[in-house]
Amino acid sequence: DADVTQTPRNRITKTGKRIMLECSQTKGHDRMYWYRQDPGLGLRLIYYSFDVKDINKGEISDGYSVSRQAQAKFSLSLESAIPNQTALYFCATSDPGLAGAISSTDTQYFGPGTRLTVL
Amino acid sequence: KNQVEQSPQSLIILEGKNCTLQCNYTVSPFSNLRWYKQDTGRGPVSLTIMTFSENTKSNGRYTATLDADTKQSSLHITASQLSDSASYICVVSAMGSYIPTFGRGTSLIVHP
Repeated sequence: DADVTQTPRNRITKTGKRIMLECSQTKGHDRMYWYRQDPGLGLRLIYYSFDVKDINKGEISDGYSVSRQAQAKFSLSLESAIPNQTALYFCATSDPGLAGAISSTDTQYFGPGTRLTVL
Repeated sequence: KNQVEQSPQSLIILEGKNCTLQCNYTVSPFSNLRWYKQDTGRGPVSLTIMTFSENTKSNGRYTATLDADTKQSSLHITASQLSDSASYICVVSAMGSYIPTFGRGTSLIVHP
């Protein structure tokens, strides 16, 4: 678990505030992801990045932005937080290995999560 | 729309007993199916992954099966332990897509 770290682990903020969640990894993986998890729902992909110059929207990117500052760092921002963004946020990394870019079978390694509450 | 349905939603068993969790999916075209274990307050950890040609995969006391024809998978846990208490999530990926579809998970509680 220490290979993928997320900061902060918990955050309470108010509606309209700008929030940044940070993810760092020491696994040397090129691929990084941001998910959110809501009670009673499955994880949903927000954004993903396959290298420093690559950013892709996931299933629910509206209201979020990301920055891939380096291979090891991937940040998620909420420009103007709203209450329905209250959720558990996970960062993940993966390595396609020999399968290359067309593979969706690479194992994802998740961080410990950030619990965000927007009042 | 791609969907993954898991059952039961929750399950309570006694330590040492076996159990089976179910996953039905409508993801198409199918690429692979993965089972994750998520302990409370932690991120998910991959248990098994199966592609179209595989119908059984084991990882210790965990055995996953896949029937690609009926689009069903199961995760069988043998001789359960207290540490098996967690949420088990089924995840299905479609060919050509990097956006997997996650099930809502089955919450398993193992009592001594």
